[in-house]
Amino acid sequence: QKEVEQDPGPLSVPEGAIVSLNCTYSNSAFQYFMWYRQYSRKGPELLMYTYSSGNKEDGRFTAQVDKSSKYISLFIRDSQPSDSATYLCACKINTGTASKLTFGTGTRLQVTL
Amino acid sequence: SAVISQKPSRDICQRGTSLTIQCQVDSQVTMMFWYRQQPGQSLTLIATANQGSEATYESGFVIDKFPISRPNLTFSTLTVSNMSPEDSSIYLCSVDGGSDTQYFGPGTRLTVL
Repeated sequence: QKEVEQDPGPLSVPEGAIVSLNCTYSNSAFQYFMWYRQYSRKGPELLMYTYSSGNKEDGRFTAQVDKSSKYISLFIRDSQPSDSATYLCACKINTGTASKLTFGTGTRLQVTL
Repeated sequence: SAVISQKPSRDICQRGTSLTIQCQVDSQVTMMFWYRQQPGQSLTLIATANQGSEATYESGFVIDKFPISRPNLTFSTLTVSNMSPEDSSIYLCSVDGGSDTQYFGPGTRLTVL
């Protein structure tokens, strides 16, 4: 079993839709959670990070963490064609000396006109 | 956020040869990381490189195959040695951005024939 599971998609939605991207993790020691966006042929770009259960909002993006269920989500409101990318969730155990990230496989999102 | 560049951006190499990938950051950082991203798979950490010390390799990765240098706080190299087609992948460097974040370079797309 992978430590971080993510549905690879592809997920296709019309412009303006609300998108829900999800990951589950198995390691209870994970304390920090991040979402990266990766456009084709580019490196991952940090979108959001959080370390507590609950919601964190940034513009059209909301990150949600439920540590009791080991479930993390990213919601995108009013989706745009420019949101078309692969979204990667990542989890981290902050050891204080190393910041190793464990990634999901990524979900490919396509927002259509 | 840190600005990270990688050279080369892509390369096609012959089996049995070696390729050195460079990673340059626009600010001094303590920790740099090297990842591999294979098609359909999650980003996998190869090693962590701290300036002035030997790199720390993850399980499944060895120094003879992936030697790393970290001569100063803004630069690192990863060499992929004695390449085989299985080494075809995207190689990414990242840096510890503080506040439990990590920033990625644009990646090096390697194809081994």
